Amino acid sequence: AQSVAQPEDQVNVAEGNPLTVKCTYSVSGNPYLFWYVQYPNRGLQFLLKYITGDNLVKGSYGFEAEFNKSQTSFHLKKPSALVSDSALYFCAVRDRRAAGNKLTFGGGTRVLVKP
Amino acid sequence: DGGITQSPKYLFRKEGQNVTLSCEQNLNHDAMYWYRQDPGQGLRLIYYSQIVNDFQKGDIAEGYSVSREKKESFPLTVTSAQKNPTAFYLCASSPGLAGYRDTQYFGPGTRLTVL
Repeated sequence: AQSVAQPEDQVNVAEGNPLTVKCTYSVSGNPYLFWYVQYPNRGLQFLLKYITGDNLVKGSYGFEAEFNKSQTSFHLKKPSALVSDSALYFCAVRDRRAAGNKLTFGGGTRVLVKP
Repeated sequence: DGGITQSPKYLFRKEGQNVTLSCEQNLNHDAMYWYRQDPGQGLRLIYYSQIVNDFQKGDIAEGYSVSREKKESFPLTVTSAQKNPTAFYLCASSPGLAGYRDTQYFGPGTRLTVL
């Protein structure tokens, strides 16, 4: 079984400050991890993924995420947040053996960046 | 949202009616997916299809049906058996060639409201 948790429903940050969105996961095998962003009434946009290799993954719009196997975490980060980063962020996990390459999503974290 | 289109954007249904949501992709992707999004619950998988003329139930398939007669199309029918159909429905596709490494890309969504 695979599961993912996003412990914060909402994160508030001032523009220009660092942004972190937390994600922890549980899988029986090797995890494959994804971050998506959703703007109001829109579909999800892919930000980045970890498959293997370097634990620090760089993605779109200046976002990056760090894979930490010992802590089973995959936190999303941005060094300097913009007001336009205000959106709903989803972490997703896939076990290598998941049927149909199924993704399991967390409940989402709403990010509010204040000017 | 790329090459995945969903129609209509908004859909209203009377209780007891079946409705069909359209999903079309021009990305030449083999795999397609349907998700349901409810506030605070993230995304839940309804059905998925890895090749034409084949599809599998996801986590919440009851009250829904799909078909995959063409590679580019994966329509979802919400039947009258679905007890609480009001939700935001998202279609996704992935190349299908990379297996567990595959990235899913999402359409813009259809918001269904039962009157």
